[in-house]
Amino acid sequence: QSVLTQPPSVSGAPGQRVIISCAGSSSNIGAGYDVHWYQQLPGTAPKLLIYGNNNRPSGVPDRFSGSKSGTSAFLAISGLRAEDEADYHCQSYDRRLSGSVFGGGTKLTVL
Amino acid sequence: QVQLEQSGAEVKKPGASVKVSCKTSGYPFPSYDINWVRQDTGQGLEWMGWMNPNSGETGYVKKFQGRVTMTRNMSTSTAYMELRSLKFEDTAVYYCARYNGNFWDFDFWGQGTLVTVSS
Repeated sequence: QSVLTQPPSVSGAPGQRVIISCAGSSSNIGAGYDVHWYQQLPGTAPKLLIYGNNNRPSGVPDRFSGSKSGTSAFLAISGLRAEDEADYHCQSYDRRLSGSVFGGGTKLTVL
Repeated sequence: QVQLEQSGAEVKKPGASVKVSCKTSGYPFPSYDINWVRQDTGQGLEWMGWMNPNSGETGYVKKFQGRVTMTRNMSTSTAYMELRSLKFEDTAVYYCARYNGNFWDFDFWGQGTLVTVSS
C-alpha cells in the first residue's frame, strides 16, 4: 500500500493530452512538500522527469509539465508520442514517516 | 557525466545476506546523500533509507531497521547496501539513487540490481 495514490493506468491516442494524478495527505503533499515525477521506460531504471512540482531537468521536453494543488499533484503530458509509453511515479516527503514516499506508479499506454 | 554503476544480479537462499554496491563517478562523492529504493516485479517504488557519504550517518525505514546496513568506501566513491535475513518477499530490483538536497528529489539512479530469494 503506497502512501501516495496514483491511478494504475491511463491511456491516450498519439497527439492527445493525458493527466496523471498523485493524491497525498496533510502529512506530505498537503504539508507543502515538493512533488517529483519519474519516468520508467520498460526494463530500465526510473529517470527524473519533473522536480520541485513543475521544473524540468535539462533534456526533458516541455510536453511534460507538473502542478500541485492542495493534497494532490498532477503530471500532464501533451502531444502524446509512442515513446512516452512507460510507468510514471510520483514522490514526495512525509513528515509523519520522516522520509521519502512514492506513489504506486501509473502505466501510460499510447493507443 | 554523473554515473551510478551497480553490481550484478544475485540469487540467495532465505536467511542469507546480500550486499549490493553502487560505484559513483562524475561528481564529488561526499557532497550528495545516496538513497536506496527497491521495486517488486512490476510494482511501485519503495524507499529503504539514506546514507551521508561524508559522515557515514544513515537513516532507515522502520520496516528494514535491524536488517539493513548502508555503508561507503570513500577511496572508491562506492556505496553499499547490505540486507540480512532475506525472505522470499525481498525478491526485487534494488536501486541506488543520488539525493538532491536542494529539492529533495532523486536526480540520478543506478541501473538496478535484481536480487532473487529462492530456495
